[in-house]
Amino acid sequence: GAGVSQSPSNKVTEKGKDVELRCDPISGHTALYWYRQSLGQGLEFLIYFQGNSAPDKSGLPSDRFSAERTGGSVSTLTIQRTQQEDSAVYLCASSRTRAGAQETQYFGPGTRLLVL
Amino acid sequence: DQQVKQNSPSLSVQEGRISILNCDYTNSMFDYFLWYKKYPAEGPTFLISISSIKDKNEDGRFTVFLNKSAKHLSLHIVPSQPGDSAVYFCAASAVYNFNKFYFGSGTKLNVKP
Repeated sequence: GAGVSQSPSNKVTEKGKDVELRCDPISGHTALYWYRQSLGQGLEFLIYFQGNSAPDKSGLPSDRFSAERTGGSVSTLTIQRTQQEDSAVYLCASSRTRAGAQETQYFGPGTRLLVL
Repeated sequence: DQQVKQNSPSLSVQEGRISILNCDYTNSMFDYFLWYKKYPAEGPTFLISISSIKDKNEDGRFTVFLNKSAKHLSLHIVPSQPGDSAVYFCAASAVYNFNKFYFGSGTKLNVKP
């Protein structure tokens, strides 16, 4: 089947505007992650969804960032009032999670966000 | 505070030789470690993993070594091939939150023909 897809692949926006980034995980994967990779940095955890449980939002850098996962599938990451330091590649990953297991993640190609 | 560190941003190796990529971590609760490979304009793809109950895991040309006392792991690629040229990330998770992964900043490997 298809892998993780993300849209758009590239987004250029002006400072202060809101942006929405979309992630379609692999069908049947109950866990979904958002990461951010700034230039020269590693992947920074943002948020994690697992089934119907409350998401782990501990990595969101500010209240301008939020994410939803509708129907346990598609997820949208929203950044309000974008700042230049938000410029990064935003990566989504999904995994098939079993209790007690450590599943690997499958990553999408990312959305490259540039805030002017 | 970065809990997983890859101190070498780049590495250049001749085709056929061994590539050794290093990773250090600070959290003693980490018990599961992974290596991912990333080509330009693509997302990272899983390469190999190791649990803390082992000190070595091998998969073809790729071997990961774990030294828990030193909080250090390494990825060995033997023999290196030009197609191995990519950015390699190490990642770790802890038993108390095994779905939260901490990534290093990556090492760019260049294998010269």
